[in-house]
Amino acid sequence: GNSVTQMEGPVTLSEEAFLTINCTYTATGYPSLFWYVQYPGEGLQLLLKATKADDKGSNKGFEATYRKETTSFHLEKGSVQVSDSAVYFCALSEGGYQKVTFGTGTKLQVIP
Amino acid sequence: EPEVTQTPSHQVTQMGQEVILRCVPISNHLYFYWYRQILGQKVEFLVSFYNNEISEKSEIFDDQFSVERPDGSNFTLKIRSTKLEDSAMYFCASSESPLQETQYFGPGTRLLVL
Repeated sequence: GNSVTQMEGPVTLSEEAFLTINCTYTATGYPSLFWYVQYPGEGLQLLLKATKADDKGSNKGFEATYRKETTSFHLEKGSVQVSDSAVYFCALSEGGYQKVTFGTGTKLQVIP
Repeated sequence: EPEVTQTPSHQVTQMGQEVILRCVPISNHLYFYWYRQILGQKVEFLVSFYNNEISEKSEIFDDQFSVERPDGSNFTLKIRSTKLEDSAMYFCASSESPLQETQYFGPGTRLLVL
């Protein structure tokens, strides 16, 4: 079955540091890939997505590139802010009404 | 921007009691889902629903669970006889069509079973 593996947290960074959260996946077909973010006390928000190989999703300064050859979808941001502190979930979906399979989440804490 | 809403935000119940969690999906969406997240664990799929039928369900979604779309706007998850291990955050999600892979999630209902 499908699965998503992402790096263990928590990740603690200073403001303006570079962020990478690694994510790799296993899927039987050609999934769409997502990053969701969960701010403290809130629900899941879609951060970015990519639907095919070599696509780059981007939003709010975050980027991730769909790498089929390495089955990866690493999340990056060049300069994090305190307001980016949240839990980040890598996820995949195969087909429009198929379930979303989530990774375990990576907690990011950005300190001033 | 349209969003998925859920009520209540928090619910505390006694073991063995029935609970109903409510969701209002985005208005033009046709596919609905429930997920749960036990504290500190990953988000897990429970069930998907389309055209008044369950499309897929996980092994977690046993006979204690049911879903319903009682009217044109609400989508509910019922747990008939709650157990301690049902304590979790429950997320509702919706998507527009089979060609729209993105599911939009609500803010969640935190259920605590005592």
